[in-house]
Amino acid sequence: QQPVQSPQAVILREGEDAVINCSSSKALYSVHWYRQKHGEAPVFLMILLKGGEQKGHDKISASFNEKKQQSSLYLTASQLSYSGTYFCGTLRNSGNTPLVFGKGTRLSVIA
Amino acid sequence: NAGVTQTPKFQVLKTGQSMTLQCAQDMNHNSMYWYRQDPGMGLRLIYYSASEGTTDKGEVPNGYNVSRLNKREFSLRLESAAPSQTSVYFCASSEVPFSYEQYFGPGTRLTVT
Repeated sequence: QQPVQSPQAVILREGEDAVINCSSSKALYSVHWYRQKHGEAPVFLMILLKGGEQKGHDKISASFNEKKQQSSLYLTASQLSYSGTYFCGTLRNSGNTPLVFGKGTRLSVIA
Repeated sequence: NAGVTQTPKFQVLKTGQSMTLQCAQDMNHNSMYWYRQDPGMGLRLIYYSASEGTTDKGEVPNGYNVSRLNKREFSLRLESAAPSQTSVYFCASSEVPFSYEQYFGPGTRLTVT
């Protein structure tokens, strides 16, 4: 089942913060975050594992709430380079079940 | 290292024509994937190969076939193209199936008229 991302789109000014959420109705083993800039391929940001710690990547961090089956991506002091579409992908177990991506959140950072 | 490469970058087909999208990776990864991306739909898995010699259907396999030619190469074939297959196609690879980071190729933009 496809995870649900919110918001669908957000516009920020440089230096502002944003939170992108990813929710599933099913129990999850892990959540994966990717960023895709316009006209380019998706690029991996981080993986959150069940029972794992909050991850960080520069000023981008994420958490995984196992009870709520929800992950949140935190973008702090946003930069123009953060613009793009953010996708979460969810795994229900550690076996060979496919990663299922959400529809994405379009983030635009303006000067 | 080139990472994941895809050919062609752009293609226009007429309804009913066939073609093969090529993908190769030079990272010695075991697993490879084909996704399609349509506006507002995210990335949807067409087929995947968890390891050399195996292939499995993903979420949207109808109208496609795949071949894992060797560890490096994974091709996607459209036997009789339809306008509904107009999309951007991404190939990806990873060290192990799904649990690890996936590396994506630059994509193929396909238009079926």
